[in-house]
Amino acid sequence: GQQVMQIPQYQHVQEGEDFTTYCNSSTTLSNIQWYKQRPGGHPVFLIQLVKSGEVKKQKRLTFQFGEAKKNSSLHITATQTTDVGTYFCAGPRSGGSNYKLTFGKGTLLTVNP
Amino acid sequence: DAGVIQSPRHEVTEMGQEVTLRCKPISGHNSLFWYRQTMMRGLELLIYFNNNVPIDDSGMPEDRFSAKMPNASFSTLKIQPSEPRDSAVYFCASNIQGHQTDTQYFGPGTRLTVL
Repeated sequence: GQQVMQIPQYQHVQEGEDFTTYCNSSTTLSNIQWYKQRPGGHPVFLIQLVKSGEVKKQKRLTFQFGEAKKNSSLHITATQTTDVGTYFCAGPRSGGSNYKLTFGKGTLLTVNP
Repeated sequence: DAGVIQSPRHEVTEMGQEVTLRCKPISGHNSLFWYRQTMMRGLELLIYFNNNVPIDDSGMPEDRFSAKMPNASFSTLKIQPSEPRDSAVYFCASNIQGHQTDTQYFGPGTRLTVL
């Protein structure tokens, strides 16, 4: 079945350092979504990428969708303590409804002030 | 507007007891999802409803789990009998099928502990 892998599983940084998490799918994706879950919270939608090679920015966050639409990355510049949480990528399941998402296991980011 | 509402937020029960989790999706959303989140398995889709009809329940672990959506504003996930391995956070999410994005809006979750 379709698999969505994320690396690293954990990342600890000093405040001000950059952070990147990578997402790889076993199948081509029509789109990819990123969610953030704060400790004790629930996943919150950040962004959706649809086009091959697409790059989107949200303040210090930069999201990329690979040319082959099988991988994606999230880069945070100059991390802050408010960035702490788990970042998930998710893609629609292949061969089925576009509304059923397969989530990666997530990358837990901790930031030392 | 209120987001997805789930109750209870926390549930502690003993093995063998029946557990019912409740969800109210965002008004106007026509799709509803139940997820289970654990450290080991991550976020797993249990069941997906569209227009109150269960479309895919392939993620439901076993017959002990059942879900219903009697109307557009209410859904339940029932576990009977509960087992310690059912301990997890259960999220309900909703969205609008056919909308430009497939964004799912998650509720705050129910943290279930089965002793």
